[in-house]
Amino acid sequence: GAVVSQHPSRVICKSGTSVKIECRSLDFQATTMFWYRQFPKQSLMLMATSNEGSKATYEQGVEKDKFLINHASLTLSTLTVTSAHPEDSSFYICSARPDSSYSYEQYFGPGTRLTVT
Amino acid sequence: AQTVTQSQPEMSVQEAETVTLSCTYDTSESDYYLFWYKQPPSRQMILVIRQEAYKQQNATENRFSVNFQKAAKSFSLKISDSQLGDAAMYFCGRTGANNLFFGTGTRLTVIP
Repeated sequence: GAVVSQHPSRVICKSGTSVKIECRSLDFQATTMFWYRQFPKQSLMLMATSNEGSKATYEQGVEKDKFLINHASLTLSTLTVTSAHPEDSSFYICSARPDSSYSYEQYFGPGTRLTVT
Repeated sequence: AQTVTQSQPEMSVQEAETVTLSCTYDTSESDYYLFWYKQPPSRQMILVIRQEAYKQQNATENRFSVNFQKAAKSFSLKISDSQLGDAAMYFCGRTGANNLFFGTGTRLTVIP
């Protein structure tokens, strides 16, 4: 149980275009999901907290107009990188916190490698 | 400060031996949860073990156990009978108001 899928696993896009990444909790409901960015050999950097039915909460320094988050249902959150630039190239990871959890653990998707050319 | 510190960037262990990864944290809360996550080369984050701060008993999951010292704000992970598949980055995490704070990670190498 507690499986989170993420799609696509890899994407290459041209500078100036937008790309959407999907995060799904497959066997549990998650009112709250999270989006992280991970640079090579570094820890996860929280970008935003996604809440079903309300606006996402962005961490300081993260441009909300550039990284659009939509938590459409209790099992789906999407991250859209708008007007992508090469510096947006990174590894993006989503996670979901089961609504049934009392300990606030998060289950992670396999990540998406974004390359902007 | 809401920080999680992993002071060992890299560790190595001989196969079948035991290794301990250290983690300290800072918090002003009295109730919180602590986690160890493993990130193998596939980069899939995997929950290894969790500890509830209000429980004194150390959590154990098969070959993985923790040494939780609440007063010292220390939360180390012990891996017994290390296996080649244990080679990975290990991240210690602590719950915050609505999310997890992660340490910088420890890269574990398992020597055959």
